[in-house]
Amino acid sequence: GAVVSQHPSRVICKSGTSVKIECRSLDFQATTMFWYRQFPKQSLMLMATSNEGSKATYEQGVEKDKFLINHASLTLSTLTVTSAHPEDSSFYICSASGWGGTEAFFGQGTRLTVV
Amino acid sequence: AQKITQTQPGMFVQEKEAVTLDCTYDTSDQSYGLFWYKQPSSGEMIFLIYQGSYDEQNATEGRYSLNFQKARKSANLVISASQLGDSAMYFCAMREGPQSSASKIIFGSGTRLSIRP
Repeated sequence: GAVVSQHPSRVICKSGTSVKIECRSLDFQATTMFWYRQFPKQSLMLMATSNEGSKATYEQGVEKDKFLINHASLTLSTLTVTSAHPEDSSFYICSASGWGGTEAFFGQGTRLTVV
Repeated sequence: AQKITQTQPGMFVQEKEAVTLDCTYDTSDQSYGLFWYKQPSSGEMIFLIYQGSYDEQNATEGRYSLNFQKARKSANLVISASQLGDSAMYFCAMREGPQSSASKIIFGSGTRLSIRP
């Protein structure tokens, strides 16, 4: 299957700082990328959908000013958690989909801990 | 309203037996897609199988098959000859709307499958 690379895999940051997470599709053009958040022992919650070159569409209840998403190219999307707080600690995972939409491939996920 | 329902929070199966993981969905769209993913303890999401709403045949990928019953809105995953390495969390997911990369994919609550040696 296609390869989606997500970095970093783990990050610890201080409260009040910002953290950037990258999601890259390595061998296909990702026209759409999805960002999910997963709490322990729970399902994936869709945060936002980003299409290359346009603004992300956020799900209800997700603060767009706190979770900045940029999808500047067909191979890269970034999620920036701004002014992080301990309650932002979670597992964040991206997914990329190419033309056709029959498959969506996931990155390895990023475990964010805010101290 | 919950769109994807997985009613089995956990299952235990003896190695080499077949196992069926249940998934029901709710949508008013005629065009949609159904996915199954495996998530081991490492956290990565591994794509297993896909079924489009217009596909007439049930999807199969190696030991995985999807029992698609459109009228009942169910898309159960069948794993044949289970292996110890199949122990993981399994998520059913749905893409609503036309087959397009832009259609969002939403997930069920998952089933934790444990294979006994």
